[in-house]
Amino acid sequence: GAVVSQHPSRVICKSGTSVKIECRSLDFQATTMFWYRQFPKKSLMLMATSNEGSKATYEQGVEKDKFLINHASLTLSTLTVTSAHPEDSSFYICSARRGGGIYEQYFGPGTRLTVT
Amino acid sequence: DQQVKQNSPSLSVQEGRISILNCDYTNSMFDYFLWYKKYPAEGPTFLISISSIKDKNEDGRFTVFLNKSAKHLSLHIVPSQPGDSAVYFCAATKGVTSGSRLTFGEGTQLTVNP
Repeated sequence: GAVVSQHPSRVICKSGTSVKIECRSLDFQATTMFWYRQFPKKSLMLMATSNEGSKATYEQGVEKDKFLINHASLTLSTLTVTSAHPEDSSFYICSARRGGGIYEQYFGPGTRLTVT
Repeated sequence: DQQVKQNSPSLSVQEGRISILNCDYTNSMFDYFLWYKKYPAEGPTFLISISSIKDKNEDGRFTVFLNKSAKHLSLHIVPSQPGDSAVYFCAATKGVTSGSRLTFGEGTQLTVNP
């Protein structure tokens, strides 16, 4: 299989605080992990691509100092939303890719972030 | 610039009939295409994919057709089942040259009525 987990599944935080979301590939090693954001009734928007042991590559318009990504191992990537604001409220989804010419990405269940 | 488009936001079919979901793309550099299924408040689930060197790929009830000249792909589900009701996203990638980044369409909500 190709199982990807995310934690937490749902988080509510106060404006100005930071929130960390974990993404783990449970049964395979992920050479690359991706972080997406989904707005209501919209498509998935890629935020950044992270490779194990190197700095994440951010998409245009995504603030790297606000959305900190760490890909510490082949099975774990974290996204930290720093100094969260209500407009950061969204559904954040990670995905992982095995590598080796396989392009399929396997997605986590997502994290619903609400900033009050 | 929406490089992958799913022009039908919704589709409703009867159980047992065929569901056909369509997707168009504009970037001729895309060389690999994927379909994902998504339930509310869950991450997308990979369904089926196709390389640009093929024009058809079949997996059980799911078949993806690719028409490169028309820059069009479609997902056929037959027979459709109520459990297939979900949002379907098509995605495309330029493969290794893009770091395997996926570009998603807007999604089509499929409803299969019993």
